[in-house]
Amino acid sequence: DGGITQSPKYLFRKEGQNVTLSCEQNLNHDAMYWYRQDPGQGLRLIYYSQIVNDFQKGDIAEGYSVSREKKESFPLTVTSAQKNPTAFYLCASSTTGGSYNEQFFGPGTRLTVL
Amino acid sequence: AQSVTQLDSQVPVFEEAPVELRCNYSSSVSVYLFWYVQYPNQGLQLLLKYLSGSTLVESINGFEAEFNKSQTSFHLRKPSVHISDTAEYFCAVSDPTGGGNKLTFGTGTQLKVEL
Repeated sequence: DGGITQSPKYLFRKEGQNVTLSCEQNLNHDAMYWYRQDPGQGLRLIYYSQIVNDFQKGDIAEGYSVSREKKESFPLTVTSAQKNPTAFYLCASSTTGGSYNEQFFGPGTRLTVL
Repeated sequence: AQSVTQLDSQVPVFEEAPVELRCNYSSSVSVYLFWYVQYPNQGLQLLLKYLSGSTLVESINGFEAEFNKSQTSFHLRKPSVHISDTAEYFCAVSDPTGGGNKLTFGTGTQLKVEL
């Protein structure tokens, strides 16, 4: 059954700690994305990767880091430099090439920093 | 740069009534347009999209949206809503020259269907 998995669904951390959110896909997609969702602000792009071992900053990359060592995995680290990390984080993936590549979203991870 | 405006943050409506969720965009280039739906604590699901061709696009569950280039709008409508349509709806745009990969989202509209 193909899809995108994000774990855990809920995550709690103390202020000042780094935390890594997992995103795995078995859709054989080349591109993967991380979005942050806050109430009343919609989704904002943090990082995206169109191929293994390469990634680009999105609109709000400060305080976050990513890696793309495997095609199916795109973990996001929320560092202590992120001033307001409490949010709902969504991972997505898509094919590349062609005129349109639909993004498929995972179920999300809700991060709460105490 | 592209931007999307969803003026209504919340839309309450009674079951079986019609509804329209408004979306306006700004872009200096042609665009792809999308509506996504999000149920509580879940990811986003693509509801419908406009890429080219007919300006009226429909989803399998009765929603439709019309691309209006002169008004730069892509409003979402349903003639008769159901309780199960209660969710948050996001309008989004992308640039076709980039393979439609980079999405810019609006702030969302919470649709609450009441009995």
